[in-house]
Amino acid sequence: NAGVMQNPRHLVRRRGQEARLRCSPMKGHSHVYWYRQLPEEGLKFMVYLQKENIIDESGMPKERFSAEFPKEGPSILRIQQVVRGDSAAYFCASSVGATNTEAFFGQGTRLTVV
Amino acid sequence: SQQGEEDPQALSIQEGENATMNCSYKTSINNLQWYRQNSGRGLVHLILIRSNEREKHSGRLRVTLDTSKKSSSLLITASRAADTASYFCATEIITGNQFYFGTGTSLTVIP
Repeated sequence: NAGVMQNPRHLVRRRGQEARLRCSPMKGHSHVYWYRQLPEEGLKFMVYLQKENIIDESGMPKERFSAEFPKEGPSILRIQQVVRGDSAAYFCASSVGATNTEAFFGQGTRLTVV
Repeated sequence: SQQGEEDPQALSIQEGENATMNCSYKTSINNLQWYRQNSGRGLVHLILIRSNEREKHSGRLRVTLDTSKKSSSLLITASRAADTASYFCATEIITGNQFYFGTGTSLTVIP
């Protein structure tokens, strides 16, 4: 049973380009969370999704950022018109249920904006 | 902020000693989870303790939870150099489904 898979592991984008980060949850998990970790900082919640639904996007910037978790395929975190401040590690976690279940994390995608 | 806070921020011990890290939080929770993150790597889930539990063990790890004080501790016994990492607590609050992380404790175990 593969763990949470994120790709790419490293992503370099020029300012103004788009970044697409993918997350395949663990088998049987239908809940996905995205977090951002800035250098030397803890993880900040961005968005929580279930299949085809955004449940909570309170941590996501209002502009340029979007997330989806389609019926088929991975969850996608999309950042349009990236800026240097978007450089960070983006982690995805998945869980089997909504509450009181372990959340397992992927290895993260390290985005560098040059 | 509902974020958990770990203390100390950094801890350096000799191999074989015990390491204790603490986590405090602000709102009522369903559970609290501890994670380890090696430098530049993803997070590894260590232990989940539910709000109705007071203590859990897993190998050399012992976690306690005091909901009246809104705090938790992670004890690593007989530490090893491989335990060197950052340790985060994450709280699942009652009114939401997301986890809130603290800023972590950076543990260095000196061989």
